[in-house]
Formats: sequence, C-alpha cells, structure tokens
Amino acid sequence: RKEVEQDPGPFNVPEGATVAFNCTYSNSASQSFFWYRQDCRKEPKLLMSVYSSGNEDGRFTAQLNRASQYISLLIRDSKLSDSATYLCVVNGRGSYIPTFGRGTSLIVHP
Amino acid sequence: DAGVTQSPTHLIKTRGQQVTLRCSPISGHKSVSWYQQVLGQGPQFIFQYYEKEERGRGNFPDRFSARQFPNYSSELNVNALLLGDSALYLCASSLVGQGGTEAFFGQGTRLTVV
Repeated sequence: RKEVEQDPGPFNVPEGATVAFNCTYSNSASQSFFWYRQDCRKEPKLLMSVYSSGNEDGRFTAQLNRASQYISLLIRDSKLSDSATYLCVVNGRGSYIPTFGRGTSLIVHP
Repeated sequence: DAGVTQSPTHLIKTRGQQVTLRCSPISGHKSVSWYQQVLGQGPQFIFQYYEKEERGRGNFPDRFSARQFPNYSSELNVNALLLGDSALYLCASSLVGQGGTEAFFGQGTRLTVV
C-alpha cells in the first residue's frame, strides 16, 4: 500500500458544482497535513493546511479523519479557475520527509 | 520580494553525463528541499537541508547528492544520468526544517536526458 493515495481522476464537473477529493495515508503517526494546488507545468502552491478540527477558507473546506486515516478537500461553487491538480501532503511525527500523493486532476467546464 | 528561484529552467543532457541544479530560497528561509516530479505523479522527496546540514533523504540512489551553502542556497547534483532521471526537479524553501511548515516551491528545472 502506498504511503499516500489519491484518486488521479480526472474529475469533470460543471461550473457551480460541489466536488470532494479524499486522500488516504498509511502512517497512523502522521502529524501534519496539507493540500497543494498545481497548475499545468507550474510549481505546487499551498492551498491550505488541514487541522484536526477541520478548516474552511472561502469555498474550500479541509477535514481530517484520523480514525480512518484520510483527509478531504471540498470545493463548493466550482469556478473554471479551479481546474488544476490537487496534491495532498502528509508528514510523520518529527519527520522531515513530506510525502506527496500523486494528485487528483480537476476539470471544471462551462 | 523574490520567491524561490531555480536555474536553469530547462536542460538537456546525454546519458552518463552529470548535472548541477541550483536553488535560491526565499530571503530568511533556512531550509531547502529537493523533489523530483515525473509526469502524472506527485513530487518525490530527494533531500532536505537546514542550516547546511542534511535533515532528510528520500529513496534515491547515491548518484544524487546535494549541499547547502552559507547563504542557504543549494545545489543538487546528479551523476551518471539515466533516461529515467528525466523529470521536473523542484526546490522548496521553508522557514525552518520541520515537516509541519509551509513549503514554497520554485518554478522547477525541467531536465531531459537523451
């Protein structure tokens, strides 16, 4: 089993739709979690950190489920500009080695 | 303020050659990490350096090496290049060398080995 797994998609959704991605991780000692966004042929950029209590930033909501060892990203009212690859990142306790998932591709169409 | 800068942006090398990639972190950041990203995959961690010391190493062969200079810039060296080393090499800087902090990525160096 891979350390961090994501459905590569692509997820094809119309503008205005709500879409959710999950990311599962295998190391139960993992301590910090992030979602990054990567546009085609560009570098990854931090979208949001994922806190134990869950967190929201505008149309984006991130949640952590430690019992089932997954994190999720919910995007409401999708925009064309949300089209990108969404990467989840997991760090173990005291680890300097962040593990990236392979990314989930989102395509928002008119 | 300048972000993370990497050079060169593109590079073509022949199998067996050696390559050096360079990275300048954001001013004030003391940690630099290197990643390899092949098409369709997420970035794979290669090295992390903090205050010129290696803090972490990913599962890459000894052909890959790196170092960090007193000004916190960094170089990644790859010897005896293989076709499979063709990838986007990303450098990321962060304030401290802990995994729980945000990393800022450079635009990457796209290496093609022929």
